[in-house]
Amino acid sequence: NAGVTQTPKFQVLKTGQSMTLQCAQDMNHEYMSWYRQDPGMGLRLIHYSVGAGITDQGEVPNGYNVSRSTTEDFPLRLLSAAPSQTSVYFCASSRTSGAVLATQYFGPGTRLTVL
Amino acid sequence: AQSVTQLGSHVSVSEGALVLLRCNYSSSVPPYLFWYVQYPNQGLQLLLKYTSAATLVKGINGFEAEFKKSETSFHLTKPSAHMSDAAEYFCAVRSNSGYALNFGKGTSLLVTP
Repeated sequence: NAGVTQTPKFQVLKTGQSMTLQCAQDMNHEYMSWYRQDPGMGLRLIHYSVGAGITDQGEVPNGYNVSRSTTEDFPLRLLSAAPSQTSVYFCASSRTSGAVLATQYFGPGTRLTVL
Repeated sequence: AQSVTQLGSHVSVSEGALVLLRCNYSSSVPPYLFWYVQYPNQGLQLLLKYTSAATLVKGINGFEAEFKKSETSFHLTKPSAHMSDAAEYFCAVRSNSGYALNFGKGTSLLVTP
């Protein structure tokens, strides 16, 4: 299993540009989520999904859109990038039942810089 | 809401010394608690988790944590630090709104020779 994969690893955008951060998992996990990590802030939840077709907002959703058309993929869209969105973005997934309940598996991250 | 507070943003220990990273939680229900480690330029890796089965939880790489309800604490320890333990450590609690995790702000562990 590849686990949780994220592309790209690095990205530089100009203010106002749009882009999509890709996230995929091959563990058949129902739950997927996006976090951003900023220095001294820990990780903060942006959006999450408990299954295909179901998404919801986390702690810091403004400026980001998500969709979940398949179990495997959970892309994060920035419609109009702002310098405040400069961050490291992590995708995570987990099962929603069973002995490994709530153990989240993280991707390697995407480092985004908005100029 | 469930939350955790990590005491000390930076901790420095000598190689071979005890590692103690502090985490206190706030929760209105029995919590699910986690410790994750992040090595430089990598994603987060689960060290251990508490899901009410046992109060002393053993994890990978020789780390363990003890859940103390009376102190609302879940401190991470390792008897003898290795240079390879230098990393950022995050305490987290499962949110009561779903399967998301609420993270602490992290503690950076420095191990000196």
